[in-house]
Amino acid sequence: QVQLVQSGAEVKKPGSSVKVSCKSSGATFSTYDITWVRQAPGQGLEWMGGIIPIFGTPNYAQKFQGRLTITADESTSTAYMELSSLRSEDTAVYYCARGRYSDNSGNYFESEYWGQGTLVTVSS
Amino acid sequence: EIVLTQSPGTLSLSPGERATLSCRPSQSVASHFLAWYQQKTGQAPRLLIYAASIRATGIPDRFSGWGSGTDFTLTISRLEPEDFAVYYCQQYGRSPVTFGQGTKLEIK
Repeated sequence: QVQLVQSGAEVKKPGSSVKVSCKSSGATFSTYDITWVRQAPGQGLEWMGGIIPIFGTPNYAQKFQGRLTITADESTSTAYMELSSLRSEDTAVYYCARGRYSDNSGNYFESEYWGQGTLVTVSS
Repeated sequence: EIVLTQSPGTLSLSPGERATLSCRPSQSVASHFLAWYQQKTGQAPRLLIYAASIRATGIPDRFSGWGSGTDFTLTISRLEPEDFAVYYCQQYGRSPVTFGQGTKLEIK
């Protein structure tokens, strides 16, 4: 059974950075997409970006270009999301999720497995 | 990017009734790349349907999806108390992946 376990809640100052981890267990890590989705309080789901570890090159939503870095460490089956230049609007629950399927072609798929979410609060 | 418009924003129904939720992409989306998720308060989303019409593992058969191009639908045939939640559609055929704004299904 696949499990994704995320790091704990963070409180950050505006202008700083946050790095959230997502450790995968129970199945092959490298060939499945790991995506990051955030949800601001009372709002909907927002896709931020993702990575397929075996390919290594992340894919970012335009909105986060320049502020977002997604990486993956195959040796520990852990993915990371780092968001910089934080502002109050970045306060949200951040989820990692893993694709249901892998076709080894670099495509992203529907997310079947989700982490428990990490609350990031940006406040002065 | 492809914008997904979900309607209605809120749907008020009673247990036992049928729910029909709509998702309309701003551009045509291949059916293989349209999914539906359920989210309850304080929980991560749960995959219900992928490839527009295939139920994910463990999803009851009262949930069904269909559609193509710019018109997709999620139907819950007979609502159970645990079905009241927020539902999101997602397209993952074109980058960036996008979600609809959600439909809240509430008890009438």
